[in-house]
Amino acid sequence: DIQMTQSPSTLSASVGDRVTITCRASQSFSTWLAWYQQKPGKAPKLLIYKASNLESGVPSRFSGSGSGTEFTLTISSLQPDDFATYYCQQYNSFPWTFGQGTKVEIK
Amino acid sequence: QVQLQESGPGLVKPSETLSLTCTVSGDSISGYYWSWIRQPPGKRLEWIGCFYRSGSTSYNPSLKSRVTISVDTSKNQFSLKLTSVTAADTAVYYCARDGSGRSFQHWGQGTLVTVSS
Repeated sequence: DIQMTQSPSTLSASVGDRVTITCRASQSFSTWLAWYQQKPGKAPKLLIYKASNLESGVPSRFSGSGSGTEFTLTISSLQPDDFATYYCQQYNSFPWTFGQGTKVEIK
Repeated sequence: QVQLQESGPGLVKPSETLSLTCTVSGDSISGYYWSWIRQPPGKRLEWIGCFYRSGSTSYNPSLKSRVTISVDTSKNQFSLKLTSVTAADTAVYYCARDGSGRSFQHWGQGTLVTVSS
């Protein structure tokens, strides 16, 4: 199995801050990585697919990059609606696996 | 626009079988990858398994001995059965579909299943 580890687990930030979340994989793979945003009591929402492709309707302040074993999600200017938990997920090989999540909190 | 809706009992007794159904609207259930995913309270998401390519299935090895995913194309539904459940299987269960390289593009709203006597 490919293990996915996110850092940090919790992040405190203010509106307007630039935020970066890192996801590291236990094995190298190309770009079959997705990022999701989840709010309490809701299903996850796809933000980024294939490591750097922005899902339709997602604000352009979200971006993704990386390949191999290190991937990042960046929010260029944090907005009030962005306070949530973010998960990375690899779909390079079965079993598909998720990171443990990064909670973005208000500072 | 494809929509997914989970249904099934919200309470299951220990050692019994958890059964859930995902009803799909707005798209045919053939094609794509159709998955079950769960999230125990306060924990990370866990992929349970999927079916794809008109009959193939793949399961998470951690659950493989207890899981069956099946499909009913006449009803545009797919189902999850998880046997011999324990309290550790208490979770919100989601059904989801990929989107041509987009991994889990479409999700159901999720349903909480509690394992308790």
